[in-house]
Amino acid sequence: GAGVSQTPSNKVTEKGKYVELRCDPISGHTALYWYRQSLGQGPEFLIYFQGTGAADDSGLPNDRFFAVRPEGSVSTLKIQRTERGDSAVYLCASSSPGLAGERAYEQYFGPGTRLTVT
Amino acid sequence: AQKVTQAQTEISVVEKEDVTLDCVYETRDTTYYLFWYKQPPSGELVFLIRRNSFDEQNEISGRYSWNFQKSTSSFNFTITASQVVDSAVYFCALSVRSGNKLVFGAGTILRVKS
Repeated sequence: GAGVSQTPSNKVTEKGKYVELRCDPISGHTALYWYRQSLGQGPEFLIYFQGTGAADDSGLPNDRFFAVRPEGSVSTLKIQRTERGDSAVYLCASSSPGLAGERAYEQYFGPGTRLTVT
Repeated sequence: AQKVTQAQTEISVVEKEDVTLDCVYETRDTTYYLFWYKQPPSGELVFLIRRNSFDEQNEISGRYSWNFQKSTSSFNFTITASQVVDSAVYFCALSVRSGNKLVFGAGTILRVKS
């Protein structure tokens, strides 16, 4: 089936502008995660949704970052007043409990959105 | 707090050599989950394996094998008879609750030359 998709694949914006990044998780996956990956580093956690609610937003760097998942499927990461330091690849992942009571913990990642703030 | 350390920044091997990627983790939780992901040049993270803290059995999948040792807090990954297609960045990651966030190491760049 279809994997996690993210749009746009690339986004170039000017400092101070507002951007939205979209994530479509794997169908049926209840958990959705956002990570940020800077060049040469491992992904860093931003926020995690279980259904429609944010279960853990401890990774959001400041109040310029906000994410929503209004219907428990698609999620949008919103960044206000972008700064050059926000330039990175933003990764989305999804996961879901498995069958027969077994809980699956594997997170399946999308291709990412490369954000460049000029 | 949790931490994952991948001390090897970059490794270069010649095709058919065996190579081991090291991963050391830190957590105070007694239940946790360890993962390895592969990130090829295309950029998309590919899940390789998950291991629970209460299951120390080593695992083999084709040319890949994983050695989990709680006594040394390590979860090392070995590729046997490496191939050029194995060239990628490999990340080790840790999660302390089911379905919770992953804490990643900095990654190890593996270059396999023909």
